Amino acid sequence: QQQVKQSPQSLIVQKGGISIINCAYENTAFDYFPWYQQFPGKGPALLIAIRPDVSEKKEGRFTISFNKSAKQFSLHIMDSQPGDSATYFCAAILGGSGNTGKLIFGQGTTLQVKP
Amino acid sequence: DSGVTQTPKHLITATGQRVTLRCSPRSGDLSVYWYQQSLDQGLQFLIQYYNGEERAKGNILERFSAQQFPDLHSELNLSSLELGDSALYFCASSPLHIPFGDGREAFFGQGTRLTVV
Repeated sequence: QQQVKQSPQSLIVQKGGISIINCAYENTAFDYFPWYQQFPGKGPALLIAIRPDVSEKKEGRFTISFNKSAKQFSLHIMDSQPGDSATYFCAAILGGSGNTGKLIFGQGTTLQVKP
Repeated sequence: DSGVTQTPKHLITATGQRVTLRCSPRSGDLSVYWYQQSLDQGLQFLIQYYNGEERAKGNILERFSAQQFPDLHSELNLSSLELGDSALYFCASSPLHIPFGDGREAFFGQGTRLTVV
């Protein structure tokens, strides 16, 4: 019940296209959902995050859409660029009394943007 | 640069040995988290320290231990190493014990790649 399921495992998109990565969870006690971007040989870097009381959050070309009733959220990368090629992780943090601050990560999506 | 420093960057050691991984959090951050990243298990939370005290424990083996010192740096000790312990080990830090919005998110170091041969 503390899992976050992420899909697809890998994604190839043409430059200028839209990349969409989906995540789903079961535990309604999660109350913070960040996305991390990881380049080879680097640590994960926070990209954008959302709380479940917000349905959408946009930062530049990156948008999180959140569907609380379906317990799903997704990352959209508009106008995808070759420099966006990386592994993307969705994550979740428990709120309330179960909040320890630990990040529960999805399995990751390797994105390749072709020029 | 996230401001979180991990040393060493690479470590190669033999089975049965013991190693220590070091993490210096961002200036002012009180919380340190350790994560293990392997190909088959993804990113797994190991343990968290807040201002010197253990705050949360995840899937950390009994052969592994950690501590946070008064200057807030942290060390992860891995002993009786096995081939399966080969992985990337990341440290992350945040100002509070709860990574949250409003600039209190957890920031990750570049990791230590451990290879057990």
